[in-house]
Amino acid sequence: DSGVTQTPKHLITATGQRVTLRCSPRSGDLSVYWYQQSLDQGLQFLIQYYNGEERAKGNILERFSAQQFPDLHSELNLSSLELGDSALYFCASSVEGGGMNTEAFFGQGTRLTVV
Amino acid sequence: GNSVTQMEGPVTLSEEAFLTINCTYTATGYPSLFWYVQYPGEGLQLLLKATKADDKGSNKGFEATYRKETTSFHLEKGSVQVSDSAVYFCALSDPQSGKLIFGQGTELSVKP
Repeated sequence: DSGVTQTPKHLITATGQRVTLRCSPRSGDLSVYWYQQSLDQGLQFLIQYYNGEERAKGNILERFSAQQFPDLHSELNLSSLELGDSALYFCASSVEGGGMNTEAFFGQGTRLTVV
Repeated sequence: GNSVTQMEGPVTLSEEAFLTINCTYTATGYPSLFWYVQYPGEGLQLLLKATKADDKGSNKGFEATYRKETTSFHLEKGSVQVSDSAVYFCALSDPQSGKLIFGQGTELSVKP
Protein backbone atom coordinates (compact mmCIF):
# COMPACT_ATOMS: atom_id res chain seq x y z
CA ASP A 1 0.00 0.00 0.00
CA SER A 2 1.57 3.26 -1.20
CA GLY A 3 -0.55 5.46 1.05
CA VAL A 4 -2.06 7.30 -1.94
CA THR A 5 -5.80 6.80 -2.23
CA GLN A 6 -7.79 7.28 -5.42
CA THR A 7 -11.54 7.13 -5.79
CA PRO A 8 -13.47 5.76 -7.52
CA LYS A 9 -11.60 2.67 -8.77
CA HIS A 10 -13.84 2.30 -11.78
CA LEU A 11 -16.06 4.76 -13.59
CA ILE A 12 -18.28 4.19 -16.61
CA THR A 13 -19.93 7.20 -18.18
CA ALA A 14 -21.36 8.39 -21.47
CA THR A 15 -19.83 10.70 -24.04
CA GLY A 16 -20.39 14.37 -23.31
CA GLN A 17 -20.56 13.85 -19.57
CA ARG A 18 -18.35 15.27 -16.82
CA VAL A 19 -16.61 13.31 -14.07
CA THR A 20 -14.43 14.07 -11.07
CA LEU A 21 -11.59 11.87 -9.95
CA ARG A 22 -10.29 12.24 -6.41
CA CYS A 23 -6.85 11.70 -4.93
CA SER A 24 -5.68 11.77 -1.32
CA PRO A 25 -1.88 11.97 -1.11
CA ARG A 26 0.31 10.27 1.47
CA SER A 27 0.33 11.97 4.82
CA GLY A 28 2.88 14.79 4.71
CA ASP A 29 3.22 14.90 0.93
CA LEU A 30 2.73 18.37 -0.53
CA SER A 31 2.93 17.55 -4.21
CA VAL A 32 0.32 15.75 -6.30
CA TYR A 33 0.80 14.61 -9.89
CA TRP A 34 -1.80 13.32 -12.34
CA TYR A 35 -0.95 10.87 -15.13
CA GLN A 36 -3.00 9.25 -17.87
CA GLN A 37 -2.23 5.72 -19.03
CA SER A 38 -3.71 4.62 -22.34
CA LEU A 39 -2.82 1.88 -24.80
CA ASP A 40 -1.85 4.25 -27.60
CA GLN A 41 -0.21 7.07 -25.62
CA GLY A 42 1.38 5.16 -22.76
CA LEU A 43 1.90 6.98 -19.47
CA GLN A 44 1.55 10.74 -19.92
CA PHE A 45 2.03 13.46 -17.33
CA LEU A 46 -0.99 15.74 -17.09
CA ILE A 47 -0.49 18.24 -14.30
CA GLN A 48 1.19 18.83 -10.94
CA TYR A 49 0.13 20.77 -7.87
CA TYR A 50 2.36 21.69 -4.99
CA ASN A 51 0.87 22.93 -1.74
CA GLY A 52 -2.25 24.18 -3.50
CA GLU A 53 -0.56 25.86 -6.44
CA GLU A 54 -0.11 24.59 -9.98
CA ARG A 55 3.59 23.73 -10.44
CA ALA A 56 3.86 22.05 -13.85
CA LYS A 57 1.60 21.29 -16.77
CA GLY A 58 1.90 18.54 -19.35
CA ASN A 59 -0.29 17.57 -22.29
CA ILE A 60 -3.52 18.22 -20.48
CA LEU A 61 -6.54 18.95 -22.65
CA GLU A 62 -8.50 22.17 -22.13
CA ARG A 63 -11.53 20.02 -21.25
CA PHE A 64 -9.59 18.75 -18.23
CA SER A 65 -8.81 20.71 -15.10
CA ALA A 66 -7.48 20.00 -11.65
CA GLN A 67 -7.11 21.59 -8.28
CA GLN A 68 -5.54 20.91 -4.92
CA PHE A 69 -7.46 21.81 -1.80
CA PRO A 70 -6.19 23.17 1.55
CA ASP A 71 -6.22 19.65 3.01
CA LEU A 72 -3.94 18.71 0.07
CA HIS A 73 -6.30 16.29 -1.61
CA SER A 74 -6.68 16.84 -5.33
CA GLU A 75 -9.42 16.45 -7.88
CA LEU A 76 -9.15 15.97 -11.62
CA ASN A 77 -12.19 17.14 -13.56
CA LEU A 78 -12.83 15.75 -17.02
CA SER A 79 -15.62 17.30 -19.07
CA SER A 80 -17.25 16.85 -22.48
CA LEU A 81 -15.93 13.32 -22.39
CA GLU A 82 -15.01 11.53 -25.59
CA LEU A 83 -14.43 7.85 -26.29
CA GLY A 84 -10.70 8.55 -26.52
CA ASP A 85 -10.62 9.73 -22.91
CA SER A 86 -11.08 6.14 -21.77
CA ALA A 87 -7.90 5.36 -19.83
CA LEU A 88 -6.39 4.63 -16.45
CA TYR A 89 -5.78 7.84 -14.50
CA PHE A 90 -3.10 7.74 -11.84
CA CYS A 91 -2.37 10.12 -9.06
CA ALA A 92 1.05 10.24 -7.43
CA SER A 93 2.36 12.22 -4.49
CA SER A 94 5.73 13.26 -3.15
CA VAL A 95 7.03 15.24 -0.22
CA GLU A 96 8.85 17.75 -2.38
CA GLY A 97 7.89 19.26 -5.72
CA GLY A 98 11.25 18.73 -7.39
CA GLY A 99 14.91 18.06 -6.71
CA MET A 100 17.14 15.08 -7.26
CA ASN A 101 15.64 12.91 -4.56
CA THR A 102 11.98 13.45 -5.36
CA GLU A 103 10.33 10.06 -5.12
CA ALA A 104 6.72 9.72 -6.22
CA PHE A 105 4.27 7.19 -4.79
CA PHE A 106 1.39 6.10 -6.98
CA GLY A 107 -2.21 5.30 -6.22
CA GLN A 108 -4.05 2.29 -7.66
CA GLY A 109 -5.61 4.40 -10.37
CA THR A 110 -9.12 5.15 -11.60
CA ARG A 111 -10.20 3.25 -14.69
CA LEU A 112 -12.46 5.50 -16.76
CA THR A 113 -14.55 3.99 -19.51
CA VAL A 114 -16.47 6.34 -21.79
CA VAL A 115 -19.25 4.67 -23.75
CA GLY B 1 12.73 17.77 -25.01
CA ASN B 2 13.28 15.03 -22.48
CA SER B 3 12.38 11.50 -23.50
CA VAL B 4 12.85 7.86 -22.55
CA THR B 5 13.06 4.90 -24.92
CA GLN B 6 12.70 1.29 -23.77
CA MET B 7 13.11 -1.96 -25.61
CA GLU B 8 9.82 -3.25 -26.89
CA GLY B 9 8.12 -6.22 -25.37
CA PRO B 10 6.72 -8.56 -24.60
CA VAL B 11 9.75 -10.35 -23.22
CA THR B 12 9.21 -14.00 -22.36
CA LEU B 13 11.76 -15.84 -20.23
CA SER B 14 12.02 -19.12 -18.39
CA GLU B 15 12.39 -19.09 -14.62
CA GLU B 16 15.99 -18.47 -13.47
CA ALA B 17 16.96 -16.85 -16.78
CA PHE B 18 18.96 -13.62 -16.94
CA LEU B 19 16.97 -10.47 -17.62
CA THR B 20 18.02 -7.26 -19.37
CA ILE B 21 15.58 -4.52 -20.31
CA ASN B 22 17.26 -1.70 -22.20
CA CYS B 23 16.48 1.93 -21.46
CA THR B 24 18.04 5.05 -22.97
CA TYR B 25 17.16 8.64 -22.31
CA THR B 26 17.49 12.13 -23.73
CA ALA B 27 17.59 14.96 -21.25
CA THR B 28 18.90 18.40 -20.59
CA GLY B 29 20.62 18.73 -17.27
CA TYR B 30 21.00 15.84 -14.85
CA PRO B 31 17.74 14.07 -14.17
CA SER B 32 17.20 11.28 -11.71
CA LEU B 33 16.38 7.91 -13.28
CA PHE B 34 13.86 5.35 -12.10
CA TRP B 35 12.46 1.92 -12.80
CA TYR B 36 8.83 1.39 -11.87
CA VAL B 37 6.96 -1.91 -11.98
CA GLN B 38 3.24 -2.43 -12.58
CA TYR B 39 1.75 -5.77 -11.61
CA PRO B 40 -1.54 -6.77 -13.24
CA GLY B 41 -4.43 -4.63 -12.02
CA GLU B 42 -2.25 -2.51 -9.76
CA GLY B 43 -0.62 0.91 -9.69
CA LEU B 44 3.03 1.66 -10.26
CA GLN B 45 5.58 0.77 -7.61
CA LEU B 46 9.06 2.22 -7.46
CA LEU B 47 11.56 -0.59 -8.06
CA LEU B 48 14.83 1.33 -7.92
CA LYS B 49 16.37 4.71 -8.63
CA ALA B 50 19.66 6.50 -9.27
CA THR B 51 20.21 10.20 -8.86
CA LYS B 52 23.59 10.81 -10.47
CA ALA B 53 26.05 9.38 -12.97
CA ASP B 54 27.59 5.99 -12.06
CA ASP B 55 25.05 5.46 -9.26
CA LYS B 56 23.71 1.92 -9.10
CA GLY B 57 20.16 1.41 -7.93
CA SER B 58 19.21 -2.04 -6.62
CA ASN B 59 16.20 -3.74 -5.09
CA LYS B 60 14.80 -7.31 -4.93
CA GLY B 61 17.68 -8.62 -7.05
CA PHE B 62 17.18 -6.01 -9.78
CA GLU B 63 19.96 -3.55 -10.62
CA ALA B 64 20.46 -0.60 -12.94
CA THR B 65 23.43 1.74 -13.36
CA TYR B 66 23.14 5.39 -14.41
CA ARG B 67 25.47 5.67 -17.43
CA LYS B 68 25.86 9.27 -18.49
CA GLU B 69 28.29 8.49 -21.32
CA THR B 70 25.79 6.18 -23.04
CA THR B 71 22.66 7.90 -21.63
CA SER B 72 21.40 4.53 -20.47
CA PHE B 73 19.81 2.92 -17.42
CA HIS B 74 19.40 -0.75 -18.31
CA LEU B 75 17.54 -3.00 -15.87
CA GLU B 76 19.10 -6.38 -15.04
CA LYS B 77 18.32 -9.37 -12.86
CA GLY B 78 20.42 -12.48 -12.64
CA SER B 79 17.65 -15.01 -12.10
CA VAL B 80 14.00 -14.12 -12.72
CA GLN B 81 11.03 -15.71 -11.00
CA VAL B 82 7.45 -16.23 -12.13
CA SER B 83 6.45 -13.56 -9.62
CA ASP B 84 8.53 -10.98 -11.57
CA SER B 85 5.97 -11.10 -14.40
CA ALA B 86 4.80 -7.50 -14.78
CA VAL B 87 5.22 -4.37 -16.90
CA TYR B 88 8.42 -2.43 -16.25
CA PHE B 89 8.70 1.30 -16.89
CA CYS B 90 11.88 3.33 -17.15
CA ALA B 91 11.45 7.01 -16.24
CA LEU B 92 13.35 10.21 -15.70
CA SER B 93 12.33 13.08 -13.50
CA ASP B 94 12.36 16.74 -14.21
CA PRO B 95 14.68 18.24 -11.56
CA GLN B 96 12.54 21.35 -11.14
CA SER B 97 9.09 19.85 -10.78
CA GLY B 98 9.71 16.17 -10.10
CA LYS B 99 7.31 15.19 -12.88
CA LEU B 100 8.14 11.85 -14.46
CA ILE B 101 8.63 11.13 -18.14
CA PHE B 102 8.07 7.44 -18.85
CA GLY B 103 9.18 5.05 -21.48
CA GLN B 104 6.52 2.98 -23.21
CA GLY B 105 6.85 0.06 -20.80
CA THR B 106 8.13 -3.48 -21.33
CA GLU B 107 5.94 -6.44 -20.48
CA LEU B 108 7.83 -9.33 -18.92
CA SER B 109 6.37 -12.82 -18.75
CA VAL B 110 8.29 -15.49 -16.83
CA LYS B 111 7.30 -19.12 -17.42
CA PRO B 112 7.94 -21.91 -14.90
